Amino acid sequence: DTGVSQDPRHKITKRGQNVTFRCDPISEHNRLYWYRQTLGQGPEFLTYFQNEAQLEKSRLLSDRFSAERPKGSFSTLEIQRTEQGDSAMYLCASSFGGGIQETQYFGPGTRLLVL
Amino acid sequence: KNEVEQSPQNLTAQEGEFITINCSYSVGISALHWLQQHPGGGIVSLFMLSSGKKKHGRLIATINIQEKHSSLHITASHPRDSAVYICAVGRGSQGNLIFGKGTKLSVKP
Repeated sequence: DTGVSQDPRHKITKRGQNVTFRCDPISEHNRLYWYRQTLGQGPEFLTYFQNEAQLEKSRLLSDRFSAERPKGSFSTLEIQRTEQGDSAMYLCASSFGGGIQETQYFGPGTRLLVL
Repeated sequence: KNEVEQSPQNLTAQEGEFITINCSYSVGISALHWLQQHPGGGIVSLFMLSSGKKKHGRLIATINIQEKHSSLHITASHPRDSAVYICAVGRGSQGNLIFGKGTKLSVKP
């Protein structure tokens, strides 16, 4: 068990560019979550997968954001035409189970800065 | 008003002090989580509870479902406890969490 990993850890980009982040969950975990955290705030939910199915998306996830988990393992989060307001820490978490609540295991996050 | 409120926002304590962080929520929940976030971003789950009380080492978490309130206690605090402590709630069959803004704890030696 190597934990949840995210890549890259840091990303600096210019406004208008596209960026893609990757999350590798703990191998047997069927649920995968994406959250966004801005400075001084708690994380906010973006989207959630159970296996390869994207079951819920937040209103925060505008049309410029898209997430995939094609084989039910790793996931990617893409932001198109980045804006300065997209600057944040993007966190991935995974969990195992079909119950209502399970412990979520978080990755180290990808810190995005849009210039 | 946020659905999950924490108090205090910032807390400074001397090593050895007993610490309490509070969390109130306004929605129906299936479970409440306490998380710890260190500088640099890494988040670790401390507790998940839906009733009563849980203890792990020097950490104790309680929840009162009727009052929609939870507390995280740290006994014999230590500088290594310095971190941001975040309360989050889960609702129904959805796995996503709703987070408080966090309490920044600094324990001085």
